[in-house]
Amino acid sequence: DVKVTQSSRYLVKRTGEKVFLECVQDMDHENMFWYRQDPGLGLRLIYFSYDVKMKEKGDIPEGYSVSREKKERFSLILESASTNQTSMYLCASKRIGYNEQFFGPGTRLTVL
Amino acid sequence: SQQGEEDPQALSIQEGENATMNCSYKTSINNLQWYRQNSGRGLVHLILIRSNEREKHSGRLRVTLDTSKKSSSLLITASRAADTASYFCATGPPPGGAQKLVFGQGTRLTINP
Repeated sequence: DVKVTQSSRYLVKRTGEKVFLECVQDMDHENMFWYRQDPGLGLRLIYFSYDVKMKEKGDIPEGYSVSREKKERFSLILESASTNQTSMYLCASKRIGYNEQFFGPGTRLTVL
Repeated sequence: SQQGEEDPQALSIQEGENATMNCSYKTSINNLQWYRQNSGRGLVHLILIRSNEREKHSGRLRVTLDTSKKSSSLLITASRAADTASYFCATGPPPGGAQKLVFGQGTRLTINP
């Protein structure tokens, strides 16, 4: 079974802090994705990565950056956290050429 | 931008009844997928239907796709309490487009015992 893990289930940070969200997948998938999920807005794509060291902006990249130094790991970075970044963050991965995405359990981030 | 819009936003039915959720989208697609999300968890892939297919079945799930109306429906038959979850449609772009899914806002389904 594909397994996607995220570093924390719940995280509380203060405004202005630098925040790292880590995602690791164990199935050698090339593509990885970061979404945020907010009530009434569904899932919105922040960034995605086709492969190691490759990244593309999604629909809402402002205030975020990403890092993909190893194939299995995709990190989401909030350079200076703000209260409007309080949300559920979901990581996903898939094999190139396939359609199904595999999701991690999510990180619920609260910025105070 | 949100591609898929789902209807209804919330649905509450009795155990054993059928549940139908609808999804509409705006642009050309290569495929449409349905995912389930249990409360506070990640999404799980349920079923995929390609743009050249009209109907697909998987166990108690039946998905239809009408590309002329840009709409899809997910039917869950003989519902169970364990089907209580949020259901999302997600559209995949035509070949050559950026290989990313666009998700709808979801339908929250509650199965009452």
